[in-house]
Parts: sequence; C-alpha cells; structure tokens
Amino acid sequence: DAGVTQSPTHLIKTRGQQVTLRCSPKSGHDTVSWYQQALGQGPQFIFQYYEEEERQRGNFPDRFSGHQFPNYSSELNVNALLLGDSALYLCASSLYDRWKETQYFGPGTRLLVL
Amino acid sequence: ILNVEQSPQSLHVQEGDSTNFTCSFPSSNFYALHWYRWETAKSPEALFVMTLNGDEKKKGRISATLNTKEGYSYLYIKGSQPEDSATYLCAFIAQGAQKLVFGQGTRLTINP
Repeated sequence: DAGVTQSPTHLIKTRGQQVTLRCSPKSGHDTVSWYQQALGQGPQFIFQYYEEEERQRGNFPDRFSGHQFPNYSSELNVNALLLGDSALYLCASSLYDRWKETQYFGPGTRLLVL
Repeated sequence: ILNVEQSPQSLHVQEGDSTNFTCSFPSSNFYALHWYRWETAKSPEALFVMTLNGDEKKKGRISATLNTKEGYSYLYIKGSQPEDSATYLCAFIAQGAQKLVFGQGTRLTINP
C-alpha cells in the first residue's frame, strides 16, 4: 500500500516565478491538507481540499492556490515567488470524516527561491 | 491566534537514559492533540492522538500524558536508543477547526 507521495523532492526557483507541487494521497483517502515548514518553525497550515474544493484556509496570501483532482491527488501552486517562500512543503492525507484522528504525511518538497 | 509551544527546542541525551519534553497549548476549545515523530529525510509519523483529559498513551518505550485543563502534554521516552533520534512534533486541534496547529518541535539526539 503506497503511502503519501510528493513530487518533486527538491526544487530551485527564482523570485517572481511560479511553482507547482504535487501530492498523491494514501490509497483510500479523500482529503489532502498542505503545510509549509519554514526553517526553525513547525509546519503551518495552508489549506485543505476535499471533494475538489478548498474547505479551510490558513493565513496565506492568494498567491497560494490549490487544486484537487477526481482521483483525490492535489496540487499546490505558488505565484510570484518571494525569497520567504523558501521552505519545506508537506502534504497530508486522511479521510474527511476522520481527519482529526490522524494524518498521514508525505516526505515533503523542499523549495528554494533565489 | 492559537499558540502551541514545545520545550526544549533541542535535547541531547545519552543512550539508555530516559527523557521527556513538553507541549503547551490553549486550554480552551480543546478537541485533540497529536504527537508525531519526524526522522530526517522521512515523513512525519503519527505516534499518538489524545482527546481526553488525563489520557495516557503508550507505544513501546514512548508514552504521553495529557492535561487539557492546564493545557499541556508530556512525551516520555524510557531507555533512549539511537533510533529515537528525531524531531518530535505536537499538533493541537481546536473545537470546530479543520486544521492542525503545530508546535515548533523538539529535536532529540541520542548520543551512543
């Protein structure tokens, strides 16, 4: 049973560019949440997707957007990249009605903005 | 703004010693607390989900307690082994929320 997978593992971009990160949830899961972990901090909630809709959003600007596909996989898009967007981006999957019980995390995508 | 604090930020322990660290969270609107272990270059792995005041959970040499009235949880590791080296994260869920609020983690290093 494949766990949560994310691609790419590492990415280097320059300021002003746009980036797309991808996440495939654990088999059977229908909900994907995205987190940003900056250096020295805990993961910060970006948003959660279920049934192809954004269900909840954290304190992130509109430059951060997402999408969920019918197969439950998800993308995180960041436009107009800033140096401060350099971070590890984690996705986590769960069943929507059981998301509070536990979340299964992927290994993350490390983004460096130069 | 919800504040979840973990202490200490880092810890070095001799192999065989026992250790513990703390997660502090808001005592109002509590729904659940998660503990995760995160080894370098791997995915965070769920350890415990705690929901009731006074909860004690155990997994091998690792255990956790929960005090929702005063807003803290302790994680204990008995007889530390090198494979326990990891960052330990706690995450708070408020009533009615749809997100985890993480602490900054405790980075544990076990010295052989």
